[in-house]
Amino acid sequence: EDQVTQSPEALRLQEGESSSLNCSYTVSGLRGLFWYRQDPGKGPEFLFTLYSAGEEKEKERLKATLTKKESFLHITAPKPEDSATYLCAVLRRNTGNQFYFGTGTSLTVIP
Amino acid sequence: DAGVIQSPRHEVTEMGQEVTLRCKPISGHDYLFWYRQTMMRGLELLIYFNNNVPIDDSGMPEDRFSAKMPNASFSTLKIQPSEPRDSAVYFCASSRLAGNEQFFGPGTRLTVL
Repeated sequence: EDQVTQSPEALRLQEGESSSLNCSYTVSGLRGLFWYRQDPGKGPEFLFTLYSAGEEKEKERLKATLTKKESFLHITAPKPEDSATYLCAVLRRNTGNQFYFGTGTSLTVIP
Repeated sequence: DAGVIQSPRHEVTEMGQEVTLRCKPISGHDYLFWYRQTMMRGLELLIYFNNNVPIDDSGMPEDRFSAKMPNASFSTLKIQPSEPRDSAVYFCASSRLAGNEQFFGPGTRLTVL
């Protein structure tokens, strides 16, 4: 059965304390892996798409990486405004346009 | 562009009542998606459309749920009759091409009493 698992469920960091969020997946034939950020009371906001193992994408303090079994979202020197829930989603080959979302990691950055 | 627009933002209704949620996708986007988000199950895809045609409705929980897309700029998700377990945040999203990133609306928080 296809699964997307994110860990940890919640993470508290001090401002400036770097860490990583994990998204592991068990799908046959990955077409793409997507990272989103969701603020309370809002819809998910797109961050990155990764298509193949070894690929990396960066945006400000965030860097996403992909292997054949998992993806990491590295947060370098986080700030309080990085506090949000981070969601990953996978798109499998031959399933049309259906995304499978993980349940997210809730990140809190303390000043 | 104004982004994906959803209405209402909040809906409180009583069990058994009909609920209609509305969505306007981003202009030029050929794909429209309806999701439901709960604490227990996270984001679940209910149905998606391509060029106004429903492609996959396997996520629609039961016959009480129906969705339509009469034109490229409007879609509705209807629940009739509503039940307390339908309480959730419902998101609409759109994308330009298959497999592209999806852009989400602000969501409709539905509470069924």
